[in-house]
Amino acid sequence: DGGITQSPKYLFRKEGQNVTLSCEQNLNHDAMYWYRQDPGQGLRLIYYSQIVNDFQKGDIAEGYSVSREKKESFPLTVTSAQKNPTAFYLCASSIPSGGSGTQYFGPGTRLTVL
Amino acid sequence: SQQGEEDPQALSIQEGENATMNCSYKTSINNLQWYRQNSGRGLVHLILIRSNEREKHSGRLRVTLDTSKKSSSLLITASRAADTASYFCAAGNDMRFGAGTRLTVKP
Repeated sequence: DGGITQSPKYLFRKEGQNVTLSCEQNLNHDAMYWYRQDPGQGLRLIYYSQIVNDFQKGDIAEGYSVSREKKESFPLTVTSAQKNPTAFYLCASSIPSGGSGTQYFGPGTRLTVL
Repeated sequence: SQQGEEDPQALSIQEGENATMNCSYKTSINNLQWYRQNSGRGLVHLILIRSNEREKHSGRLRVTLDTSKKSSSLLITASRAADTASYFCAAGNDMRFGAGTRLTVKP
């Protein structure tokens, strides 16, 4: 059963803590992406990776970090430097790198800072 | 900033009516895609139209592309309450999305 999974579905964090959001895909896709979505808003690109061991900053990378050690995994760490991390986080993957291919999205992780 | 921008921001119609939403983009593209997002879920790919195509159909969906005007439209015919969602376009190689069109279909 191919797809892209994100965990956990809901995550609560205390101020000053780092948290890591998981994203795994078994679609054999080269490219993976992280987006942030605030209520009633569109998606904003945080980081993307077109190939293993390589990633680039998106439009709102400050306060976030990623790694791409394996093709199937692209975890996102929300650091304490992110001033307003409460949001809905979406991970996606696609076949051709560069964003020209169809993106497949995970179900999302809703992060709340207490 | 993103390539594709959706219009209108919000659209409310009665069940059975048609819904039309538009997407404008800035630079030349090789394809344009439409996605749908139900509240609190991930985006789901609906349809892709290539730059050499003018119109494409998929069930109750009809997409047009006008490369001279750098615009696309998504038409949902005979809408249903289950079509209530946000709709996004992604233009060409851009991996960014606009704010989307929030469609509400009233039963």
